[in-house]
Amino acid sequence: DAKTTQPNSMESNEEEPVHLPCNHSTISGTDYIHWYRQLPSQGPEYVIHGLTSNVNNRMASLAIAEDRKSSTLILHRATLRDAAVYYCILRNSKLTFGKGITLSVRP
Amino acid sequence: SAVISQKPSRDICQRGTSLTIQCQVDSQVTMMFWYRQQPGQSLTLIATANQGSEATYESGFVIDKFPISRPNLTFSTLTVSNMSPEDSSIYLCSGGGGVEETQYFGPGTRLLVL
Repeated sequence: DAKTTQPNSMESNEEEPVHLPCNHSTISGTDYIHWYRQLPSQGPEYVIHGLTSNVNNRMASLAIAEDRKSSTLILHRATLRDAAVYYCILRNSKLTFGKGITLSVRP
Repeated sequence: SAVISQKPSRDICQRGTSLTIQCQVDSQVTMMFWYRQQPGQSLTLIATANQGSEATYESGFVIDKFPISRPNLTFSTLTVSNMSPEDSSIYLCSGGGGVEETQYFGPGTRLLVL
């Protein structure tokens, strides 16, 4: 599976936008870019996914670079409940997790 | 969407014994996976549970240690065999569709081996 690179951690202020970057320079044409998050003591939950075009849903937006070698998950207004580990995953069959980025949200 | 439940939610076991974890999905799903998560670590994929055939194991995981069954599109089991303290972990089940679809996760089974 192609690999993704994320910063270890990021801090944000409540009610401000958050941009979580992900690099995936070895992405193949059939890899979908998935984002999941894991709140403390819970199983992971789906956030968003895309292939080539930017995507929006009620939770977040996903901005995909034109060459698809990087993407950014955008939380438009961070809340305390958004504090979690966010995983950027390239999926062509399995869902293989990397280390993720730990997002902290300050009140 | 799909809701996934796991039984048991937690257990404490003696070394040398085996534990079977059940995963139930409230709707039919194409793909089912089993993961392990050590404290403070990310999820490690154990295997893909294939309906009606042998599971596909990832490197470092073998069928004798982690036998998996998937008799239908809504149910799977993972057995942790001949347990040792190193098997203490959280075991998670997930189910969902293909690569362009969502995977849903169960709450996990917290296993402690003494």
